[in-house]
Amino acid sequence: NAGVTQTPKFRILKIGQSMTLQCTQDMNHNYMYWYRQDPGMGLKLIYYSVGAGITDKGEVPNGYNVSRSTTEDFPLRLELAAPSQTSVYFCASTLDRRDSGNTIYFGEGSWLTVV
Amino acid sequence: DAKTTQPTSMDCAEGRAANLPCNHSTISGNEYVYWYRQIHSQGPQYIIHGLKNNETNEMASLIITEDRKSSTLILPHATLRDTAVYYCIVRVATSERSNFGNEKLTFGTGTRLTIIP
Repeated sequence: NAGVTQTPKFRILKIGQSMTLQCTQDMNHNYMYWYRQDPGMGLKLIYYSVGAGITDKGEVPNGYNVSRSTTEDFPLRLELAAPSQTSVYFCASTLDRRDSGNTIYFGEGSWLTVV
Repeated sequence: DAKTTQPTSMDCAEGRAANLPCNHSTISGNEYVYWYRQIHSQGPQYIIHGLKNNETNEMASLIITEDRKSSTLILPHATLRDTAVYYCIVRVATSERSNFGNEKLTFGTGTRLTIIP
């Protein structure tokens, strides 16, 4: 298993540009999450999904969109990049097992700078 | 939405046990306590989790108080590589989720643990 894979690892965007951060997992996990982490700060939840076709907002969804057309993929779209979106983005996934707590797996992060 | 409270920072001497406290006074009976750590800007790494009983694995031990309002993560013999930010989070068990909002997984600010040579 490759686990949770994020691409790209690094990206520089100009203000107003759009881009998509890709996230894929090969563990057949139905729960997936997108977080952002600003320098020296904790992780803030942007969006999450409990299965294909189902998404919901987290703490800081403004300026982002997501889709979940398959179990494996959970892309995060930035439509009009702003300097405030300069951050490290982490994707995570977990299995929905009915009888116990479940380990959450994280990707290695995507560093985004908006200039 | 964070349901946990942790000290901002802690120091521990190399080779000694590091004890990291977490307060989760509003925890529900069906919520697990998870511990993760983040080294530099890498993705958070799973350490351990538990519901009621104390748990131990190859990385750490988790002690949960009887009333479950607090817990302590113990790194038995801290090394320099254990320097990281440690996050304590709570999450409801799948079978008990009754509304969509319970799927959120919210991190607090964590404890910055520094291991001193």
